[in-house]
Amino acid sequence: DAKTTQPPSMDCAEGRAANLPCNHSTISGNEYVYWYRQIHSQGPQYIIHGLKNNETNEMASLIITEDRKSSTLILPHATLRDTAVYYCIVRVALGGQNFVFGPGTRLSVLP
Amino acid sequence: GAVVSQHPSRVICKSGTSVKIECRSLDFQATTMFWYRQFPKKSLMLMATSNEGSKATYEQGVEKDKFLINHASLTLSTLTVTSAHPEDSSFYICSARDRGLREQYFGPGTRLTVT
Repeated sequence: DAKTTQPPSMDCAEGRAANLPCNHSTISGNEYVYWYRQIHSQGPQYIIHGLKNNETNEMASLIITEDRKSSTLILPHATLRDTAVYYCIVRVALGGQNFVFGPGTRLSVLP
Repeated sequence: GAVVSQHPSRVICKSGTSVKIECRSLDFQATTMFWYRQFPKKSLMLMATSNEGSKATYEQGVEKDKFLINHASLTLSTLTVTSAHPEDSSFYICSARDRGLREQYFGPGTRLTVT
């Protein structure tokens, strides 16, 4: 089971912030929230991950609620190249287990 | 960052033939590699987990005699689709777990078309 719930699709205007939500109400204390994206016909691309604090890198920001039951990935200034399927995954960090992918959110950035 | 390559990126083969896909970790050693399959407009589904020097562990419903996995070195795993059929046409993706950092990195995928 993927253990996460995401909206199937979202649209965002180019240049605006894209906010992608994810529910993970059964997350365990030692599980991290990972975000990957997959552009058509490519392998998954790592975006960001976090445990409980908000995280930011050059690609995106990750906001995790205090109870850790949900999170939001923020792309601050979406471009057409950000059109992709975004996957929210919870797993133990640095563990030997594989990533379990749900259906993800198909983000379409519109001109 | 760590790089995982796959070869070939695209392959077309005739029904009944076998095709081999390579997954390489270019700048790290991988004790574990994972093989995924992705059908059009669907999510990635884990097929098998391969550990260097031992037999692969297959997910339920995946035929081990049809999808042969070899992980003979710390930087290379191969997936051989034997007696391919059109329904095996799919996007095959590998990921490799860094032996030291224990983080996982994904390859770019291989598009297999069986005619």
